[in-house]
Amino acid sequence: AQTVTQSQPEMSVQEAETVTLSCTYDTSESNYYLFWYKQPPSRQMILVIRQEAYKQQNATENRFSVNFQKAAKSFSLKISDSQLGDTAMYFCAFTVTNFGNEKLTFGTGTRLTIIP
Amino acid sequence: SAVISQKPSRDICQRGTSLTIQCQVDSQVTMMFWYRQQPGQSLTLIATANQGSEATYESGFVIDKFPISRPNLTFSTLTVSNMSPEDSSIYLCSAGSPGQAYGYTFGSGTRLTVV
Repeated sequence: AQTVTQSQPEMSVQEAETVTLSCTYDTSESNYYLFWYKQPPSRQMILVIRQEAYKQQNATENRFSVNFQKAAKSFSLKISDSQLGDTAMYFCAFTVTNFGNEKLTFGTGTRLTIIP
Repeated sequence: SAVISQKPSRDICQRGTSLTIQCQVDSQVTMMFWYRQQPGQSLTLIATANQGSEATYESGFVIDKFPISRPNLTFSTLTVSNMSPEDSSIYLCSAGSPGQAYGYTFGSGTRLTVV
């Protein structure tokens, strides 16, 4: 069974600083996807970034980037120039690419607070 | 990306009753899922809603308690049956697949309180 671990329950950072959220996962599969989702107080789950395991290049989306270390099974999220709107719960998630079994497994989440 | 309309957004129900939650997707999707989320906690998968066949339930969840329908590729319902206060939670539906650029999209959730 796949597991996703987020070891930082809460983090806080000053506005405009950089913060890194950690995520590790465990799987015996070779083909899979990793995601970071953001859930603000509105409760809406928002996709932040997506990484395909077969791609060595780290995914980036504007201020958001990942450090994907496949051998170490690590998938951290870096938020640069943090903004107040980044305050939210962040969930790391994993899925395999076997059709019919493409369900997301979530980590326990990191509550991130951006301090003005 | 696909957009999901989920309703109701919240409800307060009497114990012993049932509530049906609906999710409508604005495009055809192969995979739909139902999750439960306790406030401040992570998402737990209840089941995968399969179009035209019975849902696939995760360990700890059974069809009699959480019947699911998926009549077509854009719509699904989750019923929480014979509710007790322990069923108070947020329920979310999701749709998509990892191969798509937007991955999975989520409904806005249903906050259920059982009294």
